[in-house]
This record gives sequence, C-alpha cells and structure tokens, in this order.
Amino acid sequence: QSVLTQPPSASGTPGQRVTISCSGSSSNIGSNTVNWYQQLPGTAPKLLIYSNNRRPSGVPDRFSGSMSGTSPSLAISGLQSEDEADYYCAAWDDSLNGPVFGGGTKLTVL
Amino acid sequence: QVHLVESGGGVVQPGKSLRLSCAASGFTFSTYGMHWVRQAPGKGLEWVALISYDGSNKKYADSVKGRFTISRDNSKNTLYLQMNSLRPEDTAVYYCAKGDGTLPDFWGQGALVAVSS
Repeated sequence: QSVLTQPPSASGTPGQRVTISCSGSSSNIGSNTVNWYQQLPGTAPKLLIYSNNRRPSGVPDRFSGSMSGTSPSLAISGLQSEDEADYYCAAWDDSLNGPVFGGGTKLTVL
Repeated sequence: QVHLVESGGGVVQPGKSLRLSCAASGFTFSTYGMHWVRQAPGKGLEWVALISYDGSNKKYADSVKGRFTISRDNSKNTLYLQMNSLRPEDTAVYYCAKGDGTLPDFWGQGALVAVSS
C-alpha cells in the first residue's frame, strides 16, 4: 500500500493528451513539492518533473506538471508510442521523515 | 554527465548479509545527499535510505531500520548499503540515486538482490 495514490493505469491514442493524478496528505503533498519519474520497461527511473512543474534539461515540453490546490498531476500532450512506461509521483513526508512514492501508473499508448 | 553504477548484488540465503556499492562520477559527490531506493519484482518504488552529503545524517525506512546501514566514502566517490538479516521480502532491484534536495533526481541502473534458500 503506497503512501501516495495514483491510478494504476491510463491510456490514450497517439497525439492525445493524458493526465495522471497523485494524491496524498498534509504531511507530504500538502507541505512539500512533488517530483514525477518515468520508468521505461526494463530501465531505471528517470526524473521527468521536479518541484511540481519544472522540467530537467532534455525532457520534452510535451511533459508538464501542475498543482491544483494540493492535487498534483502530470500531463503528457502529443502522446507518442515511446511514452509507454510507468510513471511515479514522489514527495517528502514530514511524518515518516523520508520520501514516499505513488504506486505507479502504467501508461498504454493504444 | 552523472554516472552511477551499482554492484554487489546477487543471490543470498535468508538471514545472511550483503553489501551493495554505488560508484559515482560526473558530479561533486561530496556535496550531495544520496538515496537507496528498491523495487520488488513487478512492484513499485520503495525508498530505503538517505545519507547526507557528509555522512552525518542518515534516515531509513521502517522496513529496513536496524538491519540496513547506509554509508559513504567521499574520498572514493562511493555509496554503500550494508544489508544484514536479509528476508525474502527484501528481494528487489536496488537503485542508488543522487539527491536533489530531499528527493532523488538521477538514478543508477540498479543491482538485483534475491533472498532465497
């Protein structure tokens, strides 16, 4: 049971826009920023979004993060087949005194 | 560029010990906190441990507290994870990751640890 909650799956067709949500509590998302990671099949996770909405260099601007109140989400526009991957949100938890992750969302490009 | 290479994984019997290493390059290792994060087969990511840039502050997940020890040698640009009293539920790919503030940013390729009799 993950501390942060994500939908287990999401899907879209090429060119579409999909969003992935992440929910938590006041001790994590409510008081700290969120990172998003992409894990392609058989590879290590890669940082996609940090500090809620900032993209590391090299990450396409098709990927964006946002925060509506205390509800973070990851949006992927212009969906491509190579975007098929697992996506994880993460935040520091002040009560657990460490990072916590969502259970991951498996994105399928139909 | 940042490069992290884990080593030391393998198959080990329950109750035994194993030490993972993570060789870092491409950044000033001694100025960054470092994490270990694991992923059981077919499962999600689970944070394991964090060590501050100078090794003075260490934090652990409850699931490994008292059994695992994180350490670092800044003269060798190397991070370690000493794992004692291993259990079958510790079976996972273990990633070392560079810290950016409180969360991981860049990850190594991972080392597989299998605990089985």
